[in-house]
Amino acid sequence: DQQVKQNSPSLSVQEGRISILNCDYTNSMFDYFLWYKKYPAEGPTFLISISSIKDKNEDGRFTVFLNKSAKHLSLHIVPSQPGDSAVYFCAATQAPGYALNFGKGTSLLVTP
Amino acid sequence: EAQVTQNPRYLITVTGKKLTVTCSQNMNHEYMSWYRQDPGLGLRQIYYSMNVEVTDKGDVPEGYKVSRKEKRNFPLILESPSPNQTSLYFCASSSALGIGQPQHFGDGTRLSIL
Repeated sequence: DQQVKQNSPSLSVQEGRISILNCDYTNSMFDYFLWYKKYPAEGPTFLISISSIKDKNEDGRFTVFLNKSAKHLSLHIVPSQPGDSAVYFCAATQAPGYALNFGKGTSLLVTP
Repeated sequence: EAQVTQNPRYLITVTGKKLTVTCSQNMNHEYMSWYRQDPGLGLRQIYYSMNVEVTDKGDVPEGYKVSRKEKRNFPLILESPSPNQTSLYFCASSSALGIGQPQHFGDGTRLSIL
């Protein structure tokens, strides 16, 4: 049973606009959430993370928001750039040494 | 340079012929894991290891074996590969210190089992 869900398989956004990628989870034990970015023919690379004690974490153009009561997180990219076009995976874990649970990914296309 | 190295990157083989995909990391990470990526299913964990000689099953371990005799290496073994194991495989490692330490991924191994 998928514990981390990314319900939008794809998203297309114009360059300069905001990209919002969404993620829902079902396991209330999850305490740490991460976003990974993946280009074709490469492994996923870590992008940004957030702990459950926070509701927002920002790193440059990337911001992750966490709503624990709704079991929902989102990744905002502002402004979006063509180089951001990739597959984005949401992942969650509950403690050190526990496995990362990944969503199925959202393919983002940023058009010029 | 911090790296997770997988070999081979591509392999086409036949059903039943044992194969091993190697994974090596140079970051002295305790935690290593294997994932497979399939269309529409995202990344699913096969096996993981929290340290030398400590391994455990992930979500989809059937048909796979692993070993962790040294900290840096975590090979994935398919004793009798079958076509449903055709997939893109990723090895990852992370430090065990602190919750949610980001995993570093290799560039992937594309296996085709005919």
